[in-house]
Amino acid sequence: DGGITQSPKYLFRKEGQNVTLSCEQNLNHDAMYWYRQDPGQGLRLIYYSQIVNDFQKGDIAEGYSVSREKKESFPLTVTSAQKNPTAFYLCATSSGGRYEQYFGPGTRLTVT
Amino acid sequence: GESVGLHLPTLSVQEGDNSIINCAYSNSASDYFIWYKQESGKGPQFIIDIRSNMDKRQGQRVTVLLNKTVKHLSLQIAATQPGDSAVYFCAENTVGGGGADGLTFGKGTHLIIQP
Repeated sequence: DGGITQSPKYLFRKEGQNVTLSCEQNLNHDAMYWYRQDPGQGLRLIYYSQIVNDFQKGDIAEGYSVSREKKESFPLTVTSAQKNPTAFYLCATSSGGRYEQYFGPGTRLTVT
Repeated sequence: GESVGLHLPTLSVQEGDNSIINCAYSNSASDYFIWYKQESGKGPQFIIDIRSNMDKRQGQRVTVLLNKTVKHLSLQIAATQPGDSAVYFCAENTVGGGGADGLTFGKGTHLIIQP
């Protein structure tokens, strides 16, 4: 956890609604990532950003969108186009040139 | 709370015993590996890492072994304690894919410490 904040811890939404998950960091790390975690599966990369105002799709970007207007913030929007949005979402950061990533506490999203 | 251990391989050990968690990685070109610990409902925590120019690295009560010949990684935890109960997963640096010098994660092993 450390300097990475994700809020809220639990989020409930109705099907068809967009929802935005926040991720804030005070580690001064350049790179930020969003992962999705489902029971019995490894982490799957949704989007990542190496620098402000730039981001790239990961392995499962469909139905999600992101922005990186500030170094400290990397919000993830789960759109109504995401067919199975209920999951545990994790934000991570890494500093330039280093592989190790540090994770936030996660947000559990439930869509009914 | 959130459970991330459902349907994962499970290792059950007695408190005080040593435990060994194994991981097979996929890419022979990977040159950096990490072990993470994830407690229920929380984000993963970095435990220890190792580069491919090493076979072994030790931390506090943990040792990581790397066998590049068979693409196998293991995490040894000495004198396990109740607080060691968690899901443990390995990650390798993503070579030729992903992005931002990213990581590819394994599915994890659920370690249960029996009193």
